[in-house]
Amino acid sequence: GENVEQHPSTLSVQEGDSAVIKCTYSDSASNYFPWYKQELGKRPQLIIDIRSNVGEKKDQRIAVTLNKTAKHFSLHITETQPEDSAVYFCAASRGRDDKIIFGKGTRLHILP
Amino acid sequence: DAGVTQSPTHLIKTRGQQVTLRCSPKSGHDTVSWYQQALGQGPQFIFQYYEEEERQRGNFPDRFSGHQFPNYSSELNVNALLLGDSALYLCASSGLYRGLGEKLFFGSGTQLSVL
Repeated sequence: GENVEQHPSTLSVQEGDSAVIKCTYSDSASNYFPWYKQELGKRPQLIIDIRSNVGEKKDQRIAVTLNKTAKHFSLHITETQPEDSAVYFCAASRGRDDKIIFGKGTRLHILP
Repeated sequence: DAGVTQSPTHLIKTRGQQVTLRCSPKSGHDTVSWYQQALGQGPQFIFQYYEEEERQRGNFPDRFSGHQFPNYSSELNVNALLLGDSALYLCASSGLYRGLGEKLFFGSGTQLSVL
């Protein structure tokens, strides 16, 4: 079945530095790749998403890249701030009404 | 504009009991998906409801069942509870069939503890 692998499981970066989280997916028919941020005790919230017809998408300090051939995609956060500390989940779907499958998450710590 | 609401927020049950969790989707949404999130793990897909029917199902046993009502709200039922069912149960809605896309909006979840 579909599988989404995410790494690292934990990431610590100095405030102001960049953070990169990587994911791979198994279903070659996947074409929708959202990223969610979950702060402690709160609900997951969509922060950015990308479709397979686009190789890169940016939104302020956040960017996502997609390599369909290698079946991997990455989240890049630049100029990290304390409020970026959270658990980040990548996910994949075939789009439309298909279920969205999540990775196991990356706990990001922003160090002062 | 009300977001996704879930009830109750916390629940404690004993093994063998049955539980019902409830979800109201975001205004304008018509599709509800349920996820189980164990501690330190990512959300795992249980099933999706649209037009009062189960459209897709993840790798969960038949003890997990659901329902969607005409007003798009939904229930998740779990029978014969096991200790391993302890988790945060998240409801997510989307407005896929209304042209709003497949973006999921999550509720705050129901924390279920099975003793």
